[in-house]
Parts: sequence; structure tokens; C-alpha cells
Amino acid sequence: EADIYQTPRYLVIGTGKKITLECSQTMGHDKMYWYQQDPGMELHLIHYSYGVNSTEKGDLSSESTVSRIRTEHFPLTLESARPSHTSQYLCASSVRGRTNEKLFFGSGTQLSVL
Amino acid sequence: SQKIEQNSEALNIQEGKTATLTCNYTNYSPAYLQWYRQDPGRGPVFLLLIRENEKEKRKERLKVTFDTTLKQSLFHITASQPADSATYLCALDMDQGGKLIFGQGTELSVKP
Repeated sequence: EADIYQTPRYLVIGTGKKITLECSQTMGHDKMYWYQQDPGMELHLIHYSYGVNSTEKGDLSSESTVSRIRTEHFPLTLESARPSHTSQYLCASSVRGRTNEKLFFGSGTQLSVL
Repeated sequence: SQKIEQNSEALNIQEGKTATLTCNYTNYSPAYLQWYRQDPGRGPVFLLLIRENEKEKRKERLKVTFDTTLKQSLFHITASQPADSATYLCALDMDQGGKLIFGQGTELSVKP
């Protein structure tokens, strides 16, 4: 069982609100990621971090922002939520094993913007 | 254009049979290929990883093959059980520090 936690599990909010999705891991992994997934669709990488004070945008353009002030914490923020942001957001961390990286995912936050 | 394709239709099989899931890709040259399991409302869970120079990898009832010429990976579950019902995702690993490229997944349903 992976030690990576996301809160909240579900969030329903109105348009224009500022929200922060929390992600924490207790495994000491340097690398963390945010993926976005719509029902029946692929996971798309929107942000990643290779360590404290390091953040990069992923392949899918996103209006969200992230920060990495502590190794264990990688929150995602939307300054002004819109219905187009409705999706599932999955946080992950990774460590390089004997062969290569494998990802550990949290349970996700299902965001609905009305 | 770059593309990853998994069986878009759900796969329904009888308990005890072997399930075979397909992952095809175009215009990528992955160093590794990974398979994950995802249950409804949960995050994916890592299952297996296979390198580009490996033909086959096994783990208990799971077997993965990787054909870089055909640009295809096959994922087999032998002696399938209802508990194996889930969506299975393949992911291309370009050896870029964990930034994986995922397929859309195939939903497997194993009936008792």
C-alpha cells in the first residue's frame, strides 16, 4: 500500500472560487507528479517536481499552479475554478528502483465545478 | 502523430480463463513499458515493468510481452478471478525520470 495521500477525495465548488488540492507522501520520494484524468480517458501529466523548489509544467497545458516547499508536500492550486476544470486529479510520487521509476499514486481528488 | 492504443471495448471473460490485453503505440521509442491496474475511484497501482531488450516478464499469474518491432505489448492474466476485474493501463516510459505516457486503459470484467 502506497503512503501517498490526497485531500479532499471529492470537491464540488462554484465557478470563480480558489481551491487547493493537497498531496502528501511519507516515503521520502524526491519526485512528485500531478496527472489529470477524465472518465475513460488517459492520464495526462500537468505538473511535476524533481525536488524542493523545483516545479515544471507537464505535457498537458493547465491553468493550475503547484509548489514544492517541502519534500513530502506537493499542493495544486486553481486561482479561479471554471466548469472546464471538472476532472479527476491524481498525485503520484516515484523512486528509481533497480530498473527504472515506478509511480505510486494517491486515490485522487474528483473535482466538480458548477 | 504519436499515439498509444489499448482495446477500447471492455473485455468480458469467464473465471479461470486467460485474459489478454493489448497495447499498441506509434512514433514512440520507449525504453520501458509499464502496466498499472486502476479500480473505480482509485489511483493506478503498479503491476509490472519490462525493458525494451526484454521479450517477456512474469509475476505470479501475470505475464507481459514487449515487441519493439511490432510496437506492441501484450498483458496476460492466467487463471483469471473476479477480483481481477479492473481497468488496466499501459504506460510508455521514455526513461525521462518518471514522466510516463499513459494509454486510455482497457476495462476487464471476469465473471464467476
